[in-house]
Amino acid sequence: EAAVTQSPRNKVAVTGGKVTLSCNQTNNHNNMYWYRQDTGHGLRLIHYSYGAGSTEKGDIPDGYKASRPSQENFSLILELATPSQTSVYFCASGDVGLGGRYEQYFGPGTRLTVL
Amino acid sequence: GDSVTQTEGLVTLTEGLPVMLNCTYQTIYSNPFLFWYVQHLNESPRLLLKSFTDNKRTEHQGFHATLHKSSSSFHLQKSSAQLSDSALYYCALSSNYQLIWGSGTKLIIKP
Repeated sequence: EAAVTQSPRNKVAVTGGKVTLSCNQTNNHNNMYWYRQDTGHGLRLIHYSYGAGSTEKGDIPDGYKASRPSQENFSLILELATPSQTSVYFCASGDVGLGGRYEQYFGPGTRLTVL
Repeated sequence: GDSVTQTEGLVTLTEGLPVMLNCTYQTIYSNPFLFWYVQHLNESPRLLLKSFTDNKRTEHQGFHATLHKSSSSFHLQKSSAQLSDSALYYCALSSNYQLIWGSGTKLIIKP
């Protein structure tokens, strides 16, 4: 199974501050994703990437930027954090699996609280 | 566009009873690939089982599901619920190098 790590695991930020969430994967997957998960909303896609240097907007990109400097690393950036961005953030990587079909694997998550 | 529907937001069952969580989908692709992910409390979603073969039962860790293209369904079942099955379950559809997620079903198993 894909190894995806995230840092930090927990973060408390102040309103208006800048927050960077980092994700690293060691399985050479082309695609990486950032989701947020809130009670009552399930998993919502923020940004994704098809490879180094590429970022694409997901379903809820407002207030977030993403950066993919290498195959292994994918960051989510909150330039001006707001309390509404308090959530659990998951990074995932994905590629074609053994069954010849596309699969995704998740990191452990980052719990972000914006005060 | 593609979509996944999980009709039950919350399912509460007594230990030992059968489990069935519903999942239906819509897609333009003739060969859909469906997943069930499970997420226990304070953990990340983990792949439970997957299928792309019509009318073939897929099993893993006591759970099973069968993809039925005729009804666009991929329901998750288990014959006897255990306390440890309490978790959030997501159905997902593979589409254009992304996963389209259902809204999730929270399963609570009581003694």
